[in-house]
Amino acid sequence: DSGVTQTPKHLITATGQRVTLRCSPRSGDLSVYWYQQSLDQGLQFLIQYYNGEERAKGNILERFSAQQFPDLHSELNLSSLELGDSALYFCASSPSVGSGYTFGSGTRLTVV
Amino acid sequence: DQQVKQNSPSLSVQEGRISILNCDYTNSMFDYFLWYKKYPAEGPTFLISISSIKDKNEDGRFTVFLNKSAKHLSLHIVPSQPGDSAVYFCAASDSTSGTYKYIFGTGTRLKVLA
Repeated sequence: DSGVTQTPKHLITATGQRVTLRCSPRSGDLSVYWYQQSLDQGLQFLIQYYNGEERAKGNILERFSAQQFPDLHSELNLSSLELGDSALYFCASSPSVGSGYTFGSGTRLTVV
Repeated sequence: DQQVKQNSPSLSVQEGRISILNCDYTNSMFDYFLWYKKYPAEGPTFLISISSIKDKNEDGRFTVFLNKSAKHLSLHIVPSQPGDSAVYFCAASDSTSGTYKYIFGTGTRLKVLA
């Protein structure tokens, strides 16, 4: 157990729907990062939050949004889902200064 | 634009031999590099890091080499073991950005043959 908890582990939904992925960071970590891994692709950075505020944005679609709550857990909202959104979504956390992330085990999203 | 590239999608090595995984980057502002290992159905796990002030970092069987002029880093695993079979990602960050955002490569699948 890495200490980063992601729920749900698997999600199957239809095109056009909206889903919410949840991440609880390691205790004490203030930064949360979201990454997407599509088939045969590397980890694509989506967005970072630090202590409740958006800190950095990557190639995140406008249909996607995220937030970090006062208890530091984070949610990634994906709307108007398309088949191409099917992927593994990873959350990672790090302390304010650190040598790397700790990843959760991911949420596998399948859009049918 | 892929700023971090792992040009070998896969690599097979005999048990006991050396595995060398390569990574190239294009952004000269990158100054901190990580390697992660990923098993199926699990999240990536941190393996080893290197800062641009060094050209080598060792941790047990794992050594990372950094060639700043060539914008190239490599991970050496000696000796390779069957349990090392996994996908390996390199990642790079510009620490001056203050975000600790890492850009990942597409990964190299290592298979260690018994």
